[in-house]
Amino acid sequence: AQSVTQLDSQVPVFEEAPVELRCNYSSSVSVYLFWYVQYPNQGLQLLLKYLSGSTLVKGINGFEAEFNKSQTSFHLRKPSVHISDTAEFFCAVSSRNQFYFGTGTSLTVIP
Amino acid sequence: EAQVTQNPRYLITVTGKKLTVTCSQNMNHEYMSWYRQDPGLGLRQIYYSMNVEVTDKGDVPEGYKVSRKEKRNFPLILESPSPNQTSLYFCASARGTGGSPLHFGNGTRLTVT
Repeated sequence: AQSVTQLDSQVPVFEEAPVELRCNYSSSVSVYLFWYVQYPNQGLQLLLKYLSGSTLVKGINGFEAEFNKSQTSFHLRKPSVHISDTAEFFCAVSSRNQFYFGTGTSLTVIP
Repeated sequence: EAQVTQNPRYLITVTGKKLTVTCSQNMNHEYMSWYRQDPGLGLRQIYYSMNVEVTDKGDVPEGYKVSRKEKRNFPLILESPSPNQTSLYFCASARGTGGSPLHFGNGTRLTVT
């Protein structure tokens, strides 16, 4: 089975500052990678995905992520966060008909 | 509007009383799955289905049942709920598993007393 590690359970950051949410996965086979965002009392929404090709993937709301095969990482970044970015973020891996999720990172943007 | 619909949103029940959480998608997706979300544990897959009449266990299937008689519906059944099944449940669907992203319902918060 795959495992997905999100090293930071909580990340506080000031408004307009940059942020990086870290994600590492364990795999020796090809996988598909995703970041999802969950706003309070809502389901998960897709932020971005990596299937193949360019290692830098751009998503919605100004987020981007970089796939690093040698480090098995897929870190999420945003150069300048807004209050509205406060949410829970999940990294996920798809492999062999199953989806595996990390434990989530709670991003809190401080005014 | 393309969506995954779960019902109910909130459910409080007692130990041992059978319940069903419904899930329906209108996107003609082949793949459907159920997850439970618990603090500090993220989302864990309960069951998934590749197509009609094809279901398989995820990581935490104990105490749950599913069925896939029609492509659009994938109900989650708890035949004898216990307090350790108190959780937030999500249904999701995808076109397939070759890199297709999951589309999630809004969740069902279940409390078993």
